[in-house]
Formats: sequence, C-alpha cells, structure tokens
Amino acid sequence: EAGVVQSPRYKIIEKKQPVAFWCNPISGHNTLYWYRQNLGQGPELLIRYENEEAVDDSQLPKDRFSAERLKGVDSTLKIQPAELGDSAVYLCASSFSGSNAGELFFGEGSRLTVL
Amino acid sequence: AQSVTQLGSHVSVSEGALVLLRCNYSSSVPPYLFWYVQYPNQGLQLLLKYTSAATLVKGINGFEAEFKKSETSFHLTKPSAHMRDAAEYFCAVSDRAAGNKLTFGGGTRVLVKP
Repeated sequence: EAGVVQSPRYKIIEKKQPVAFWCNPISGHNTLYWYRQNLGQGPELLIRYENEEAVDDSQLPKDRFSAERLKGVDSTLKIQPAELGDSAVYLCASSFSGSNAGELFFGEGSRLTVL
Repeated sequence: AQSVTQLGSHVSVSEGALVLLRCNYSSSVPPYLFWYVQYPNQGLQLLLKYTSAATLVKGINGFEAEFKKSETSFHLTKPSAHMRDAAEYFCAVSDRAAGNKLTFGGGTRVLVKP
C-alpha cells in the first residue's frame, strides 16, 4: 500500500514569491495534517482536516498561508508571499479517525528554502 | 494543554552501548504516547506507541519504552546501539480530544560512534 505522498521534495524560491505543496494521504485516511518542522526542532501543527473540513487551523498564519482539501482526499498548502522565516520542512501526515491508537503516518516532507 | 520535553538535544553513544533517550510529558488526560524516528531527509517513522495497555512497550529495531505515570515519563531505550540507529528521535503525546493531534518534543539527535 502506498504511503503518504508529497511533492515537491525540495523547493528553492526568492522571498515574496508564492509556493505550493501537495499531499496525497493514505487511501481511506480521513484525517490529514500539515506540520512545519524548523531546523533542529520538532514538527508543529499548522492545520488539521477531517475529510474536507479544516477543524483546527489555529496555528496557520492566515495572512500568507492557505490550505485546501476540496474533495476530502489530497490537499494543497500554499504560501504567498513567502518570507525568509518560512524556510522549513513541510510535513503532511494522515490517520484514520476510527482508530483509537492515534498513529499518524508521515510523508517524506517538502523542504522549502527561501532566499 | 499538552506538552513534551526531551532532555538533551544531542546524545552520543558508542556502537554496542546502551541508548537512553528521555521524554517527559504533560497531559490533562491519560495520554497516548509515541516515539518517532527521522532519518536524514526523510519523514517520521513510528518506532512504538503506548495506548494504555502494557506499560513496557516494544517497538521496531530493538527499541522499547516504559510508561511511568508517577514520573510522567516515557523514556526510550535500546540495549545495544548500532550504526544504523544514528538519526533524530521525537517523543510525542496525542490529544485524543482533538482528532489525535500530536504534540512533539524538540527531538534528540543520536550519534553512534564506531
């Protein structure tokens, strides 16, 4: 079974440019998460979806970040315009909400460098 | 609010020596606890999880962790380190009231010396 797929793996842009990341979760997983991992730190939640509904976006900087999961499957995270401080690895994860074990499955991440 | 503290951002061990990574948590409800491993340029992979069954949990690659409620700890151990264990390790607590949202510690990078 395929795992969580993310693209692109690496992206280098200049500040003020837009960037978008895509995530396809494990088939059947209705919960999708976007995390940001700064260098040398643990991942921090940006947004959580239950199906197509964003149920927790309290940590998403809404002035420049947006996300969507239109059909409750794959998701896109966008930054516009990017700032130097946005350089990080953006991790997508999915889980099945019917499981009480709470395990999240992570993609390999999208590493963003803003110059 | 839940939180996780990992003591020591870097640990250096000799090959064959004991690996001990410390994790303390704060949670207002009985927690689910996890250890994830991250190899360079890869995503996070689950090592093991505690979900209120046995307090001693065995995971992959010879790792195990013990849940100690009185100490609010979930330390990770491996009796004998191997070179392939060089990676970053993250402890996390799950907020079951918030869709199993994971809150991570800052991570501990393990270096294994030959």
